[in-house]
Amino acid sequence: EPEVTQTPSHQVTQMGQEVILRCVPISNHLYFYWYRQILGQKVEFLVSFYNNEISEKSEIFDDQFSVERPDGSNFTLKIRSTKLEDSAMYFCASSGQGQRRSNEQFFGPGTRLTVL
Amino acid sequence: DQQVKQNSPSLSVQEGRISILNCDYTNSMFDYFLWYKKYPAEGPTFLISISSIKDKNEDGRFTVFLNKSAKHLSLHIVPSQPGDSAVYFCAASERRDDKIIFGKGTRLHILP
Repeated sequence: EPEVTQTPSHQVTQMGQEVILRCVPISNHLYFYWYRQILGQKVEFLVSFYNNEISEKSEIFDDQFSVERPDGSNFTLKIRSTKLEDSAMYFCASSGQGQRRSNEQFFGPGTRLTVL
Repeated sequence: DQQVKQNSPSLSVQEGRISILNCDYTNSMFDYFLWYKKYPAEGPTFLISISSIKDKNEDGRFTVFLNKSAKHLSLHIVPSQPGDSAVYFCAASERRDDKIIFGKGTRLHILP
């Protein structure tokens, strides 16, 4: 069964450093998302991406964040200068197959980001 | 601003009995409602969804009920099995393939 994969599973970084979180969405999906879950809180939407551009972003997704689909398979989230409050579990998700729109998003296992 | 609310942080149910998880929402623009299940160290796994034009959707042991006038939905699991022990997230979106707004989750414990 196709699945969303994410690397690394755990990333530890120093405050102010740049991190890149990587995702490989399900191959025939068209819509891509990043969400995060701070420990003890709910899963929050960060950004959605369709047709090689951001379709929507939350207020959390400020200038320190960027997304990219550098090739036909990877979808990355970059945090330019990490802050302590960026420590969270980051989930990638994908959905949508051609003309058949779907409300089911498939989530990856997540990357735990720890900012020291 | 809690658009999706799950007021019960945890729920314990005897194996074989019915588990009922509840969810309320405030945004009348929501058109699709979803339930996700999450185990520790894994991402959320889609369980079942319902569109706002329906009041019930069933898939095996899982049934979701939607009461639009009350802005309330519930997930019924029957019979409950040990593998159902997990955190269950109620979620909603305004359109297909749109961002999903999650509730805080309810931790379900299935007791032997």
